[in-house]
Amino acid sequence: AQTVTQSQPEMSVQEAETVTLSCTYDTSESDYYLFWYKQPPSRQMILVIRQEAYKQQNATENRFSVNFQKAAKSFSLKISDSQLGDAAMYFCAFQGAQKLVFGQGTRLTINP
Amino acid sequence: DTEVTQTPKHLVMGMTNKKSLKCEQHMGHRAMYWYKQKAKKPPELMFVYSYEKLSINESVPSRFSPECPNSSLLNLHLHALQPEDSALYLCASSQEGGRLAKNIQYFGAGTRLSVL
Repeated sequence: AQTVTQSQPEMSVQEAETVTLSCTYDTSESDYYLFWYKQPPSRQMILVIRQEAYKQQNATENRFSVNFQKAAKSFSLKISDSQLGDAAMYFCAFQGAQKLVFGQGTRLTINP
Repeated sequence: DTEVTQTPKHLVMGMTNKKSLKCEQHMGHRAMYWYKQKAKKPPELMFVYSYEKLSINESVPSRFSPECPNSSLLNLHLHALQPEDSALYLCASSQEGGRLAKNIQYFGAGTRLSVL
């Protein structure tokens, strides 16, 4: 079974600074997708960024980028120029042949 | 438009009540999902419907009964719930079920359920 581990239950960053959230996963599959979802207090899970395992190039979406290390099974999220609206719970997720598997989440606080 | 709409936003029910949660999407997606999320925990998959047929049931108790009347609607019927069933219930949809890149799951804002 796949597992996803987020080792940082909480993180905080100063507004306008850069922060990196960690995620590791374990799988025997070769074809899979990785996601970062954001869940603000409004509760809606919002897709932040996705990465296809067969692509070596790291995905980027505006201020959000990932560092995908397939051999190390690592998938970290970097948020640049942090904004107050980035405050949320961030979940790393793995999608293989079966269901979407989530990590335990990292709560990100932005300090003004 | 990547909107999944869930109603109601909040629901309080007694252990003998019968209630239903509703989820709707108009993105032409053919797979729909129910998740349960307890406080400070990740979502846990409950059911998956693919092409209006139940394809995955994660050993959910029978007091939760899903229904997919058509490709745009997904209901979750609740009966004789327990206080430990209090949680946020999230609905999601994707173009199809499975692991293809196009099968990104889009989530609704959830129904906050309290069972007294």
